[in-house]
Amino acid sequence: AQKVTQAQTEISVVEKEDVTLDCVYETRDTTYYLFWYKQPPSGELVFLIRRNSFDEQNEISGRYSWNFQKSTSSFNFTITASQVVDSAVYFCALSEHTGNQFYFGTGTSLTVIP
Amino acid sequence: DAGVTQSPTHLIKTRGQHVTLRCSPISGHKSVSWYQQVLGQGPQFIFQYYEKEERGRGNFPDRFSARQFPNYSSELNVNALLLGDSALYLCASSLSAGTNNGEQYFGPGTRLTVT
Repeated sequence: AQKVTQAQTEISVVEKEDVTLDCVYETRDTTYYLFWYKQPPSGELVFLIRRNSFDEQNEISGRYSWNFQKSTSSFNFTITASQVVDSAVYFCALSEHTGNQFYFGTGTSLTVIP
Repeated sequence: DAGVTQSPTHLIKTRGQHVTLRCSPISGHKSVSWYQQVLGQGPQFIFQYYEKEERGRGNFPDRFSARQFPNYSSELNVNALLLGDSALYLCASSLSAGTNNGEQYFGPGTRLTVT
């Protein structure tokens, strides 16, 4: 079973629009960690955020914000006032306390049109 | 400080050949993980090594093997290459085994093409 689902394959927005990338996860562990990574065309995965399962506070970092809701097993990512440089593939990932690996979603390709 | 480095950047091999990919973790990091990312998909976990021991293995055939050296660098070996092994191979380093101690830092990857 897919542990991380990113239903949006591709999204296009016009510059300065807000955009939300969805992530739904599945785990039986009570302790787990959620991540978002950005993958620009160069290929290197860039860490954006890490959240543990006991911290449901939403977080804001500049134009980025994350909404973690355990009740719906979702960890959504919003970019406010998008910019062309935000164009990339974004991956949501899950790691379980008992495990040693990340489970990645299939990614959402975001294109910001100038 | 240098990030995670991988070599080579690109590689073209023929079916049936073998390949060795290399990874140097961030200084001070003792754990290295390998991932395969097929075009259009998310990375898939292959191995994790910590202190030169295998700590985790994903659902990959025995043609895939890896090892970690005393300086914590790592090699990923793939034997009897198949066309389906064409992918971006990513290496990630972290301070310790398990992902609960922090994020994994990824290298730029090695793009392997099998013809």
